[in-house]
Amino acid sequence: DAGVTQSPTHLIKTRGQQVTLRCSPKSGHDTVSWYQQALGQGPQFIFQYYEEEERQRGNFPDRFSGHQFPNYSSELNVNALLLGDSALYLCASSSLRDRAYEQYFGPGTRLTVT
Amino acid sequence: AQTVTQSQPEMSVQEAETVTLSCTYDTSESDYYLFWYKQPPSRQMILVIRQEAYKQQNATENRFSVNFQKAAKSFSLKISDSQLGDAAMYFCAYRTSFLHTGANSKLTFGKGITLSVRP
Repeated sequence: DAGVTQSPTHLIKTRGQQVTLRCSPKSGHDTVSWYQQALGQGPQFIFQYYEEEERQRGNFPDRFSGHQFPNYSSELNVNALLLGDSALYLCASSSLRDRAYEQYFGPGTRLTVT
Repeated sequence: AQTVTQSQPEMSVQEAETVTLSCTYDTSESDYYLFWYKQPPSRQMILVIRQEAYKQQNATENRFSVNFQKAAKSFSLKISDSQLGDAAMYFCAYRTSFLHTGANSKLTFGKGITLSVRP
C-alpha cells in the first residue's frame, strides 16, 4: 500500500518565478492538505482540497493556489516567488470516512528560492 | 483561533531513560483532538500518539504515553526507555473535532522540540 508521495524532492527557483509541486494521496484517501514548514519551525496550514474544491485556507496570499484532480492527487502552485517562500512543503492526505481523520504526511518537497 | 505552544526548543535524554516533552494549547472549544508527531531528519512526519479531548483516559502507545490535563490545557508526551531512534523533532498539534466542522479540518502545530538521545 503506497503512502503519500510528493514530487519533486528538491527544487531550486529564482525570485519571481513560478513553481508547481505535486502530491499523490495514500490509497483510499480523498482529501489533501498542504503545509509550509520553514526551517526550524512547525508546519503552517496552507489549504485543503476535497472533491476538487478548496475547502479551507490558511493565512497565505493568493500567490498560493492549488488544484485537486479526479484521482484525488493535488498540485500546489506558487507564483511570483519570494525569498521567504523557501521552505519544506508537506502534503498530507486523509479520508472523510475516518472519524479520527488521521492525516498521513508525505516526505515533502524542499523549495529553495534564490 | 487556536494556538499551540512548545516552549522547550531542545531536550536531551540518556538512552534507556525517560523524558517528558511539554505542550500547552489555547482553545475555546470543548471537543478536539491533540496529536504528537515525530519528524526525523528524513523529514517524514509520523504520528506518534493521539488524544481525544472528551476521553479522560490518557492515551498510550507502547513506550509513548501522554499526560492530558484538559482544564490546564496541557498535553505532555512521555517517552519511556528512550532509544537512539527516538532522536527527532517532535511537534504537538491540535485539530478541531471532526463533528464540529462537518468537514476535514486543519492541524495547528507548535514550533517543535528537538530531542537528542545520548548513547
